[in-house]
Amino acid sequence: QTVVTQEPSLTVSPGGTVTLTCASSTGAVTSGYYPNWFQQKPGQAPRALIYSTSNKHSWTPARFSGSLLGGKAALTLSGVQPEDEAEYYCLLYYAGAHVVFGGGTKLTVL
Amino acid sequence: EVQLLESGGGLVQPGGSLRLSCAASGFTFSIYAMSWVRQAPGKGLEWVSAISGSGDSTFYADSVKGRFTISRDDSKNTLYLQMNSLRAEDTAVYYCAKGYYDLRPFDYWGQGTLVTVSS
Repeated sequence: QTVVTQEPSLTVSPGGTVTLTCASSTGAVTSGYYPNWFQQKPGQAPRALIYSTSNKHSWTPARFSGSLLGGKAALTLSGVQPEDEAEYYCLLYYAGAHVVFGGGTKLTVL
Repeated sequence: EVQLLESGGGLVQPGGSLRLSCAASGFTFSIYAMSWVRQAPGKGLEWVSAISGSGDSTFYADSVKGRFTISRDDSKNTLYLQMNSLRAEDTAVYYCAKGYYDLRPFDYWGQGTLVTVSS
């Protein structure tokens, strides 16, 4: 069974920078896994932020960026705002046409 | 404006069936793959199923294979999920999402519909 692992929780100060990562149990994450990132606030549906590693949707704030870092997919928030407090999920694509979400990272802005 | 509106959730007994619907608007529904994603109470997201734009190809998570069936009616711009042999662990909010193997997959989501499997 394929497992996608994220940090369970992270804390960042307003205005600070934080990087969330997304690892695969199958090995290093590459662009071929087409990493996606989503933000979910309590009581709301998920909102797409990043697709194909580093591409932003038209509504994605500039302070969000996606990359590959040390064999993992990464989401970096620069100049964190209080409204960025949320759960963040990554999604990876695997052979055989199946996709797997990570367990999520709860980001606290404090 | 893209809108996805799920319906059909509710309380069902273990072993029972339920059919979810997702009404789509604001985009050319027939050319896009569509997906279902669920979220158990207090838990993370789990991809459930997807269907190609043509409807010819369907995909399922191992946890629902053989019990759930995804389908679409392009004349009604509606996505469906037929859920049979429901189990307590199927209790979740079910979201429909636009896309699957697309350039910008899962770019739009519905607000979700709650399915509770309990006796």
